[in-house]
Amino acid sequence: KAGVTQTPRYLIKTRGQQVTLSCSPISGHRSVSWYQQTPGQGLQFLFEYFSETQRNKGNFPGRFSGRQFSNSRSEMNVSTLELGDSALYLCASSLENEQFFGPGTRLTVL
Amino acid sequence: DAKTTQPNSMESNEEEPVHLPCNHSTISGTDYIHWYRQLPSQGPEYVIHGLTSNVNNRMASLAIAEDRKSSTLILHRATLRDAAVYYCILRDPRNTGKLIFGQGTTLQVKP
Repeated sequence: KAGVTQTPRYLIKTRGQQVTLSCSPISGHRSVSWYQQTPGQGLQFLFEYFSETQRNKGNFPGRFSGRQFSNSRSEMNVSTLELGDSALYLCASSLENEQFFGPGTRLTVL
Repeated sequence: DAKTTQPNSMESNEEEPVHLPCNHSTISGTDYIHWYRQLPSQGPEYVIHGLTSNVNNRMASLAIAEDRKSSTLILHRATLRDAAVYYCILRDPRNTGKLIFGQGTTLQVKP
């Protein structure tokens, strides 16, 4: 089975712009979770989608949003980018007990 | 969300066993104990999980204290490829898609 894929792998944006990141889960997995990883804050949970519905949400401002499509693929969007949004964004899909992580999208905000 | 406490870093020699401790004194009766690790430049990967009993798989063993307030991940023979950040996570079965990561333990393996 193919693993979790994320596109793009690298992205450079400027402050004020918006960005959309994509995640394709492992076939058959209906849950997709998103995480932000920074050197200062570590790995932080953003949100989880299951069957096209947001099932859990972390403590991030409303500029961070996401959605899931009927084929379980998920996107996350960050609007009005700030310098502090520079991070590695990881998505993970899961079936039961374990989450399978993708390689991440490295976002740099200038 | 219940918290875990791990040492910031540990060192091991190659081919020796490694015991990575984790304290979780506020664990609830239904929380599962999960371990993930993150190798350099990769996303985290699942290692093992358990509820009350000790668990073994091809990667590691998990020893859970009788009162469940602490656990230990055991790598039986460390290799250089085991150098990673190891995260101990309490997973609420009602929120299976949400993992709360702490700072983890950075394991250095010396040849």
